[in-house]
Amino acid sequence: DAGVIQSPRHEVTEMGQEVTLRCKPISGHNSLFWYRQTMMRGLELLIYFNNNVPIDDSGMPEDRFSAKMPNASFSTLKIQPSEPRDSAVYFCASSFQPGVTFFGQGTRLTVV
Amino acid sequence: QQQVKQSPQSLIVQKGGISIINCAYENTAFDYFPWYQQFPGKGPALLIAIRPDVSEKKEGRFTISFNKSAKQFSLHIMDSQPGDSATYFCAAHAGGTSYGKLTFGQGTILTVHP
Repeated sequence: DAGVIQSPRHEVTEMGQEVTLRCKPISGHNSLFWYRQTMMRGLELLIYFNNNVPIDDSGMPEDRFSAKMPNASFSTLKIQPSEPRDSAVYFCASSFQPGVTFFGQGTRLTVV
Repeated sequence: QQQVKQSPQSLIVQKGGISIINCAYENTAFDYFPWYQQFPGKGPALLIAIRPDVSEKKEGRFTISFNKSAKQFSLHIMDSQPGDSATYFCAAHAGGTSYGKLTFGQGTILTVHP
């Protein structure tokens, strides 16, 4: 298996633009997580899904953030409109066994 | 109660030395304690993990020590190598309906000098 696949790897966008991050979890994994990593705040859990259903979105910072998982093999995290403080590395992760989580390579987002 | 506190924030060790990173938690519902290793530009990767029914787990040069009564656990890296230089995160998983959600510590940047 190729692991958790995220795209794009790098994204530079202007403030106010819509940004969509994509994730393909490992086949057979039933939980999917979106994390944000910054120097100041470390790894923050934004939202997670189980069997494609959102379980907890309490980590989503604002209504500008939204996430979907239309099927077991695809998820998106959207920021609209983007702001400079959204600049971070965003990780998607998946798991099949509670606690055993596999991370993607991340998307480095820069909002200028 | 959901927090996992990790220390130190950064650690510098000479090659061949022992690196020790500590974590503490409050939530007694945590039932699985993994450590993740992250290299620059990469995602965190599972390194080693322990369940609270054992006090120690060893895999190669990496050992987790677990103290259930103190609600603390630590990662020991024996014979530290420059290739071990990375950021290390402890984490904890609560059983039940958490669906695999992990609570992470703040991370420790380890630098091993040649």
